[in-house]
Amino acid sequence: GAGVSQTPSNKVTEKGKYVELRCDPISGHTALYWYRQSLGQGPEFLIYFQGTGAADDSGLPNDRFFAVRPEGSVSTLKIQRTERGDSAVYLCASSSLGGPQGNTIYFGEGSWLTVV
Amino acid sequence: AQSVTQLGSHVSVSEGALVLLRCNYSSSVPPYLFWYVQYPNQGLQLLLKYTSAATLVKGINGFEAEFKKSETSFHLTKPSAHMSDAAEYFCAVSDPGRDDKIIFGKGTRLHILP
Repeated sequence: GAGVSQTPSNKVTEKGKYVELRCDPISGHTALYWYRQSLGQGPEFLIYFQGTGAADDSGLPNDRFFAVRPEGSVSTLKIQRTERGDSAVYLCASSSLGGPQGNTIYFGEGSWLTVV
Repeated sequence: AQSVTQLGSHVSVSEGALVLLRCNYSSSVPPYLFWYVQYPNQGLQLLLKYTSAATLVKGINGFEAEFKKSETSFHLTKPSAHMSDAAEYFCAVSDPGRDDKIIFGKGTRLHILP
């Protein structure tokens, strides 16, 4: 597609449930990022992929969060045993050569997760 | 660690007036700096970026920002505000020695008064 695509756009789940959020980056982009944006806050870095591997996962808040990118394209962010504090917009972004060094990072519109 | 501080979570200006959104950065190395805009119910869009070339950077929609090393600042300006500029603006920083994440500020919501 023309831009970064994220699904679902909205997800309401019950506390304790498992959730998967999908990101389809711009075709050909090797770098993929996940951010989380809580209400009234700026985007918070979670994890960065270069190809299939996670180059930096230092932003994942705990072991309930996990992300994969098995074929170097689509990525899935997985959240186990969801908590109300996980409610946020989860943003995915991609860039062509892995990072802001002269390469623009393009963001999707986000997946709004609400844990009730 | 790198960080950015945006002064003022809300800024209101009259239509046609100067827009000034403040951003100060903290970095141990000369950084790359960015301004992103987020319109309601839309994704983040890059306004402009500084990557160690010209210190005055021009972006889309008439916005520009100036990198001032002595002040560790990267303030965003626009000479004349338009109603369509109402949005959330985020300043962000990255370490050019590492091609990975960028770190965002908390954002400034810009309100345009008629």
